Amino acid sequence: GAGVSQSPSNKVTEKGKDVELRCDPISGHTALYWYRQSLGQGLEFLIYFQGNSAPDKSGLPSDRFSAERTGGSVSTLTIQRTQQEDSAVYLCASSPPGEKLFFGSGTQLSVL
Amino acid sequence: GQNIDQPTEMTATEGAIVQINCTYQTSGFNGLFWYQQHAGEAPTFLSYNVLDGLEEKGRFSSFLSRSKGYSYLLLKELQMKDSASYLCAVRGPNDYKLSFGAGTTVTVRA
Repeated sequence: GAGVSQSPSNKVTEKGKDVELRCDPISGHTALYWYRQSLGQGLEFLIYFQGNSAPDKSGLPSDRFSAERTGGSVSTLTIQRTQQEDSAVYLCASSPPGEKLFFGSGTQLSVL
Repeated sequence: GQNIDQPTEMTATEGAIVQINCTYQTSGFNGLFWYQQHAGEAPTFLSYNVLDGLEEKGRFSSFLSRSKGYSYLLLKELQMKDSASYLCAVRGPNDYKLSFGAGTTVTVRA
């Protein structure tokens, strides 16, 4: 596609439920990132994928968070047993290696 | 790790100039980025500096001093559409991860 696509754009869930967030990167971009943006805060790095290399998971806040990237393209971020503090905008970005990041519009997650 | 500081808010008048400062303390440095983010939208790339000096791109310019751990984004001839959050981000030594500041919200008034 023309840009990074994320779905859903909005997700409201109940505390304790699992959620899956999807990211379709720009075709040909080998690097894919997930960031989290809480209200009034900067972007918090979560995880990075580059080609077939092992992902950098150093930013995942707890073991309730996981992500995978299938076939070097689409990525899914999964949050298990959601908590209210997980409420935030989850942004996905892709890039050619070492170049500027192109961001999607994000998924606004609200945990009630 | 990375520590990136920028002012929270700035207000300026249409047609004026605003300078957004960013200071950083990092364990390694491989470039500094500025992104613009309108409310509810994706951040979009504005500029990139890896060497000291000024990079000019139309109404926007960005400056970097690596020895001082300092950058600024200069917005000239402000327009109402420039009202947005401006994010400073530093690329660390591993050459891929960007660490972001909290962003500066710029409000342009008529």
